[in-house]
Parts: sequence; C-alpha cells; structure tokens
Amino acid sequence: AQSVTQPDIHITVSEGASLELRCNYSYGATPYLFWYVQSPGQGLQLLLKYFSGDTLVQGIKGFEAEFKRSQSSFNLRKPSVHWSDAAEYFCAVADSGGYQKVTFGTGTKLQVIP
Amino acid sequence: GAVVSQHPSWVICKSGTSVKIECRSLDFQATTMFWYRQFPKQSLMLMATSNEGSKATYEQGVEKDKFLINHASLTLSTLTVTSAHPEDSSFYICSARGSIISGANVLTFGAGSRLTVL
Repeated sequence: AQSVTQPDIHITVSEGASLELRCNYSYGATPYLFWYVQSPGQGLQLLLKYFSGDTLVQGIKGFEAEFKRSQSSFNLRKPSVHWSDAAEYFCAVADSGGYQKVTFGTGTKLQVIP
Repeated sequence: GAVVSQHPSWVICKSGTSVKIECRSLDFQATTMFWYRQFPKQSLMLMATSNEGSKATYEQGVEKDKFLINHASLTLSTLTVTSAHPEDSSFYICSARGSIISGANVLTFGAGSRLTVL
C-alpha cells in the first residue's frame, strides 16, 4: 500500500528565508507525487505535481520540488518565503493510474514570522 | 482550467438530521469523483470513490449507510450524511477527475464543506 510521511508537523521560518518541506513516500512502482496547500478553512490548491521526466518540478507561487527516487523523497522548496505562504502543506502520492486513489501525508503547518 | 464547486461551504445542523453536500464539476465532465474527510488538524482521509452511473466504492471503515454517495451525472456527485451526530462534524472535500479524451484528466479539488452538528 502506498503511504506518505511528512516528518515535520510544524515549521517556522522568517519572511524572506528559504524553505524546505520534507516528504517521503512508499510506493512499489513509479509514483505520481503532488504537493497541495491549504489555507485555514479552505480547500486544497495544487502547487505542483510529478509524473515523469525532469525530476525538478516547478510549480505555482515560486515553489519547486525535486523527486529523488534513491531517497524516496519529494521535498518542496521555495527560495524566499512570503508571509502569504503561511498555510498547511500536504504531500500526496497517487497510485499507478495517476489520478486514482490519492494518499495524503499528515501535513506540515508553515508559520512565517516577520 | 478545471473547476470544482462544492455547496454548501458551511452547514450547521441538529443532531439526527440529514445533510446533503453537492460537488459539481463546472467546466468538465467528471468521470470519477472522490470524497474526503478531514478532521481538525489532521490530513485528508479518502472516504469513497464514485464513478458516474455506478455505486460508490467505500474505503474500509466508512459506513455506507451513513454516508450516501450519488454520482448520477457527469457533473454532479452528492454526499448525504444521514442522521448526523456531533462526531460527524468535519471538513468534507470532494475532488473530480475527467477523462483523458476530454483533456480534463486532472484531479481538481473543491473548496470543501464544513459540517457542524449540534
């Protein structure tokens, strides 16, 4: 069964600092990986996704993520965090169909301080 | 781009009543819709998968008679929480996926519906 681990429950960074959110997955075949962001009381917004090809994926809002098969990781990065980035971030993996059952990690809450 | 609308976004009801939540794909035909539940400060848990015109497939531990899912058309799926109780209070989110042929084979999430049962 597929699974996703986000080891950091809560992260605090200063505005303007760089950010890296960790995500490790477990899946038998080539994974389809996603990062979503959720603002308080809101739904999910897709930041980026990886299906194949270039292992460095660019997303919206200046985010990027790198797929590392050897480490079973798909960490999310941003070079300079803005106060509006404060939200909850979910890493997710989908099964071989690509758009079938999606399993989410437990989320990482990002706090941005001035 | 693909848009999924959920209604209502917030609902408060009395214990014992039933509540219906709608999930609509606005600009594409959703061959598959998924319903998730999110407890406070927790991740999303898949409740069920529904394909248009067929019965929903529920995840283990999800009560079929409690959470009725109907996917009668290619643009609408409904989740009905029957005889709601306070423990059913949660954030319910749907997602929809179109067909590859339609070019809408992208999993799109709705904004969610917050249910509070008094």
